[in-house]
Order: sequence, then C-alpha cells, then structure tokens
Amino acid sequence: DIVMTQSPDSLAVSLGERATINCKSSQSVLYSSNNKNYLAWYQQKPGQPPKLLIYWASTRESGVPDRFSGSGSGTDFTLTISSLQAEDVAVYYCQQFYRTTNTFGQGTKLEIK
Amino acid sequence: EVQLVESGGGLVQPGGSLRLSCAASGFTFSTYSLNWVRQAPGKGLEWVSYISTSGSTIYYADSVRGRFTISRDNAKKSVYLQMNSLRAEDTAVYYCARDGRVGGYPYGMDVWGQGTTVTVSS
Repeated sequence: DIVMTQSPDSLAVSLGERATINCKSSQSVLYSSNNKNYLAWYQQKPGQPPKLLIYWASTRESGVPDRFSGSGSGTDFTLTISSLQAEDVAVYYCQQFYRTTNTFGQGTKLEIK
Repeated sequence: EVQLVESGGGLVQPGGSLRLSCAASGFTFSTYSLNWVRQAPGKGLEWVSYISTSGSTIYYADSVRGRFTISRDNAKKSVYLQMNSLRAEDTAVYYCARDGRVGGYPYGMDVWGQGTTVTVSS
C-alpha cells in the first residue's frame, strides 16, 4: 500500500494568516496516462463527513473558496489556505487514489491561534 | 439534491454480523463507483472497500478482507456492506462515498453520506 504522511499533525494559525499542510506519499501518485496526480485533499469539521476540497493535487472542487490551493507533484504535496478564516477550523486529510486500495494521511488538525 | 444516506449501524457483540446500507438519490447511481470509508472514534479516515458501477470489480482493505462483503443493487440505487466476524477494532462511523469522475478519470470521493455508527462490544 502507498503510505501517506502528513505534517504537521496539528497547526495553530492566526486569523488572516497563511496555513500550510504537507503530504508525502511513499511512492509517486502521478498517473502517466493523463499526467494527473491522483491526490485529493479533504476538510472534515466536527460531527460532519469529509468534504472534497482539491483533486488532482491542484484543482479546486466546485464551490471551494479560492483561498484554498493545492500544489506539488509525484510524492510531495501541499495544501495552502492563503488567509485563514474562522470557518476553516477543521481536520484536513490528503488521500491517494492512484492505487485501487486508497489510503489517507493521518490528518492535520488546524486551529486558530 | 445529490445525496447518500447510510443505515444499519448499531451495537453488536464481537464475532457478530451487521449489514450496512447506503441509499442514493439525485444522480444516476448506476454510472458511479462507490466506496465505504470508516473512522474510528477520535481517529482518522480508513478506506474499507470499493465497488465498480456494475459490481464486477471489488476491492477491500487488508483489515477487512475475508470478513466484509460489498455489493450493490442498481435497481434499488443502493450499496451494501455485509460485515461478519466483527471485532472491537471495527468500531467506527462508516461512510458511504461516491467516486467522482471527470472525463472518465477518477478525482476523489466527491459525495459523502452522514455516516452510520457501528459499535462492537460485549
């Protein structure tokens, strides 16, 4: 299985400041047939199911605010929130779907400083 | 409205069985693959199983292979998870999640249900 490792495990950022979460995969998730990274980011707020934010490493899902952005390729990826809002407090997960046995990172808890 | 609604969770003794259901609405069910994903209390997300549109392709996580069986009924717009030989470590919220596709390529799980809680305890 591909192991997904996120860093940090938790993060406290002031309102309006930038938040950066990293995700590293144990092997490349770049699919050669379409040159897409099979990497997604999800946001999960307490008591709610996860919500897809970013797919193919850098494409925002419809309706997701443009303060959320994704970058990276191959094995190293980053989720950036450019200006943290109070409603962004959540746990964030990366996920690879390159292999049929999907795997998630352990999650990063984002809080307000 | 595009929606997935899980049901069938509950309290079961170790070694027991439970069948989860996930009912879909608001989209053409037969054209989407589905997944089950679980989340143990206070823990992260764990992918459990996948079923293709026709049900001909199925995958399981190592942790449940041989004990859990995924199936679907396109006429009823439902996917199921039969869970046998349940263990304490299977205690979790179980989510049904749709496999999104763009241009025939997967892009992650774009629709999730609210989840159903399974507790395995004596």
